[in-house]
This record gives sequence, structure tokens and C-alpha cells, in this order.
Amino acid sequence: AQRVTQPEKLLSVFKGAPVELKCNYSYSGSPELFWYVQYSRQRLQLLLRHISRESIKGFTADLNKGETSFHLKKPFAQEEDSAMYYCALPNYGGSQGNLIFGKGTKLSVKP
Amino acid sequence: DAGVTQSPTHLIKTRGQHVTLRCSPISGHKSVSWYQQVLGQGPQFIFQYYEKEERGRGNFPDRFSARQFPNYSSELNVNALLLGDSALYLCASSLGTGRYEQYFGPGTRLTVT
Repeated sequence: AQRVTQPEKLLSVFKGAPVELKCNYSYSGSPELFWYVQYSRQRLQLLLRHISRESIKGFTADLNKGETSFHLKKPFAQEEDSAMYYCALPNYGGSQGNLIFGKGTKLSVKP
Repeated sequence: DAGVTQSPTHLIKTRGQHVTLRCSPISGHKSVSWYQQVLGQGPQFIFQYYEKEERGRGNFPDRFSARQFPNYSSELNVNALLLGDSALYLCASSLGTGRYEQYFGPGTRLTVT
């Protein structure tokens, strides 16, 4: 079965330090992966789509099919990056509106 | 554009009661999906509707049902509420066919006592 694993519930770093939020998935094909972010008291927002190969708010994520990973990285963390981050994978065996989410990682950036 | 809207924001119900949650998608989006998010977990898929038809259903009991209206808004209904139904219910919209990225509403916080 398809699965998304985010091994860290909480990641705490200091401002200016690099950050890497880990995401591993289980799927044998070429997936389309997403990172969503939820800031305090705000709605879940789409942060990145790997097919776009874009950089949003300094974050990037590279799909590694060999390691089945899609880690989210930022070279210099900012306090405003503190939030919950979720990795998501489409359920290719289900409807197109069906995303499988990881349990999320809470990023805390300390001053 | 107001984005995806949901109502109500918060709701408190008693076990055994029925609840209806509402969602309006982003203008131009024809697909609406519903998710349940319990504390400490990622969102879990409940339903997807596209062009007023159910296109997907997650692993939830028959007490959960939904529908989509001609204007693409949607309702999620839950009957015979249980304490375990307490969660944040999220609605997400997307363009539909061939597009996986979804845009979420603020959610409805349901508390069952």
C-alpha cells in the first residue's frame, strides 16, 4: 500500500541554521509529490510541487527515486518558518482527489 | 478570490446526533474533497466529488456521506456521532481531472461530547 513517512514529529533549529525535513514514500512508479505547510491558526497551504521544481520561501525539495525520498530543505532557517509541514502523495489507486499525507513534522526555529 | 470557504468554523454536538458541514470551492474548481484530521495526524481522505458525482471514498463508515451541488459546493454529513468523530474536517478543491494539487479551506472543528 502507498504510504508517506515523516520520521520526525518535531525538529528544532536555530535561526540561520540549515533545515531538512524528511519525507519517504512507498510507491513503485514516478510519483507527483507535494509539501504542504500549516502556520499557526492558518489553513493548510501548498508549499511545493516537485514537478514544478520551484523554490518557495527559500525551500526546495528534490525527488530521489532510488531512496524514495522527497526531503524539504532550506539553507538558512527563519523564525517565520516555524510551522507544521506535511508531505503528500497522490493515491494512484484511488480518485484523483485523494492525497495520502504523512503525520507531519513540527518545525520550530529558535531566535 | 476568497479561496475555499467552510462553515461553520466550530461545532459542538452530542453523541448520537447528526451534523452537516459545508464547503464552497475556489471559483472554477469542479472537484471537492473532504478530509478528517485528528490531533497529531495528517489529514485522512474521506470523499471526493467531481461534477456532482462521487469519485472516491476513503475508509470511513457509512455514517459518513456527502454530496456536491450544481454550483460545485459540497456538504459532508455524519450521522450517529461518536466521540471519535471529534476532529478538524477539511475541505479541499482542485480543478479536477488530471490535477492532484489541492487547495484547502480553514476547516470545521467538530467536538462530540
